[in-house]
Amino acid sequence: AQKVTQAQTEISVVEKEDVTLDCVYETRDTTYYLFWYKQPPSGELVFLIRRNSFDEQNEISGRYSWNFQKSTSSFNFTITASQVVDSAVYFCALGPFGNEKLTFGTGTRLTIIP
Amino acid sequence: GAGVSQSPSNKVTEKGKDVELRCDPISGHTALYWYRQRLGQGLEFLIYFQGNSAPDKSGLPSDRFSAERTGESVSTLTIQRTQQEDSAVYLCASSRGGTWETQYFGPGTRLLVL
Repeated sequence: AQKVTQAQTEISVVEKEDVTLDCVYETRDTTYYLFWYKQPPSGELVFLIRRNSFDEQNEISGRYSWNFQKSTSSFNFTITASQVVDSAVYFCALGPFGNEKLTFGTGTRLTIIP
Repeated sequence: GAGVSQSPSNKVTEKGKDVELRCDPISGHTALYWYRQRLGQGLEFLIYFQGNSAPDKSGLPSDRFSAERTGESVSTLTIQRTQQEDSAVYLCASSRGGTWETQYFGPGTRLLVL
């Protein structure tokens, strides 16, 4: 069975602080994909990143970075120098190889305080 | 079109009525997905189409829910005899198909059953 846990329900930080959103997953598959999506107040899910299980290199995109650690089944997301526009609900998702069904975590609501 | 579109954006209905939700995927995307998001929750997978066929209907919560897709394009999710617990945002996503192409989401249809 697939499971994604985002233990942080809500996080608030002051603008310009760094913040890390945690994601822990469970799967018996050896090949799988992990995703992060952002859901701003408008409601539309915005794709942020996809990683496959063979690639454990950390990735940086501007102020965003992702730390994938297979040994701890974690795929954490860090926002550096946070901005008010980063306020949203962030979802981590798991996709097993060969099955198109994404399993989502319950999301972390991030509020950036100006 | 440039992105996934869904209609209507909001739907209010009375318990027991049938509703139809529509999804127009990104042009050329062969895979189409429906998810449900209850208030404050993560996304629940409902059904997945590859072309016009649905290899995975495992997420449909009851036989009141059905979906079809025609012309490898538009999809309709139908909920018969709506119940109050059907109130949620229904999200559609599309992808290019193949193994774990990224899913791009539409803005959703917010359904309220009174």
